[in-house]
Amino acid sequence: GPKVLQIPSHQIIDMGQMVTLNCDPVSNHLYFYWYKQILGQQMEFLVNFYNGKVMEKSKLFKDQFSVERPDGSYFTLKIQPTALEDSAVYFCASSLAGQFYAEQFFGPGTRLTVL
Amino acid sequence: QQQVRQSPQSLTVWEGETAILNCSYEDSTFDYFPWYHQFPGESPALLIAIRPVSNKKEDGRFTIFFNKREKKFSLHIADSQPGDSATYFCAASSNSGTYQRFGTGTKLQVVP
Repeated sequence: GPKVLQIPSHQIIDMGQMVTLNCDPVSNHLYFYWYKQILGQQMEFLVNFYNGKVMEKSKLFKDQFSVERPDGSYFTLKIQPTALEDSAVYFCASSLAGQFYAEQFFGPGTRLTVL
Repeated sequence: QQQVRQSPQSLTVWEGETAILNCSYEDSTFDYFPWYHQFPGESPALLIAIRPVSNKKEDGRFTIFFNKREKKFSLHIADSQPGDSATYFCAASSNSGTYQRFGTGTKLQVVP
């Protein structure tokens, strides 16, 4: 099936540093998402993105977070500066369409550890 | 505020039994209810989904039962197999927005 790739698979950084998580969505998909999953808990929506713009974001999407997809390259989540509570697995997803029932395909996740 | 509630937190069934996982929601505008499974160390993957034009959706051994009046929906896994052991998440989304709210997950173990 369609695959979403995420780079890196693991990232360890010191609190206060900047980190960029990269997502390579399914090639013909137009809508992109980031989710956060703390170990053993449910996934929580952070943000979705379409046509170069943030469409929706949750309360978890703090001011320190930003997303972009310059010129059709990776869809990125940047956290600057990082905090201890940002430690989690971050999943990227993409969908062909933006309807609420459009199937989202998830990447394997990036495990972020903030020390 | 937890908009989608899921139970039980963990469930163990014998191989061949039917596993029943439950979810409830509060927002009456929710109009799409997917179930995902997630194996350890892997990403969630869509298993089956329902829109409440009907009360039931079947796909092989997996069936969603939907009760709009009570705002509940459940996943039944018939003839459970050890390979079904995973964490299952229900979710819901509204036709007024695109983002899905996830339940807290049910960790299912199927014992041979």
